[in-house]
Amino acid sequence: EPEVTQTPSHQVTQMGQEVILRCVPISNHLYFYWYRQILGQKVEFLVSFYNNEISEKSEIFDDQFSVERPDGSNFTLKIRSTKLEDSAMYFCASTRQGLKNGYTFGSGTRLTVV
Amino acid sequence: GQNIDQPTEMTATEGAIVQINCTYQTSGFNGLFWYQQHAGEAPTFLSYNVLDGLEEKGRFSSFLSRSKGYSYLLLKELQMKDSASYLCAVALTGANNLFFGTGTRLTVIP
Repeated sequence: EPEVTQTPSHQVTQMGQEVILRCVPISNHLYFYWYRQILGQKVEFLVSFYNNEISEKSEIFDDQFSVERPDGSNFTLKIRSTKLEDSAMYFCASTRQGLKNGYTFGSGTRLTVV
Repeated sequence: GQNIDQPTEMTATEGAIVQINCTYQTSGFNGLFWYQQHAGEAPTFLSYNVLDGLEEKGRFSSFLSRSKGYSYLLLKELQMKDSASYLCAVALTGANNLFFGTGTRLTVIP
């Protein structure tokens, strides 16, 4: 079964530092997403990406966030200057086309900002 | 804003049937999803309803009533491994992103 792969699985960073979270979506998928889940809270949408550009983003996805697909396989989320409240599990997801089969989520990166 | 409500916690007995309800009030609708999430893991897709009615997939079924803004997930022949959080999520019209509810933590007891 194809998988969405995320690295690293855990990341600890100091407040104010930049972090890059990496994802390899399923190879024939066309739509890519980042979601986050603060411990004990609901899963929240950050951004969607299609055809090499952002298609939708939430209020959470402010100027400190950016996404990139630097090559044909990787999809990254950069947080420019981390804050304590950025501590969360970050999930990457992908879909081929449409929503009928749902998303395939990666196993997540647990980000801890200290 | 978007609002999705589901019970916080439920407990059920191994072998039994449990129904997890979800109500939603959203500015548009392009489908309702149920996901299963074990603690510390990623959500995994269970079902998708875009038309009214019941969709059955093995031990799991999902129902949708768009006029009532209501869905339920039915789990039959419960197993211990079904202990997890069950997340209800809605896609808005013309969008591929999902709004999630806070999830229902189901505990299956022997």
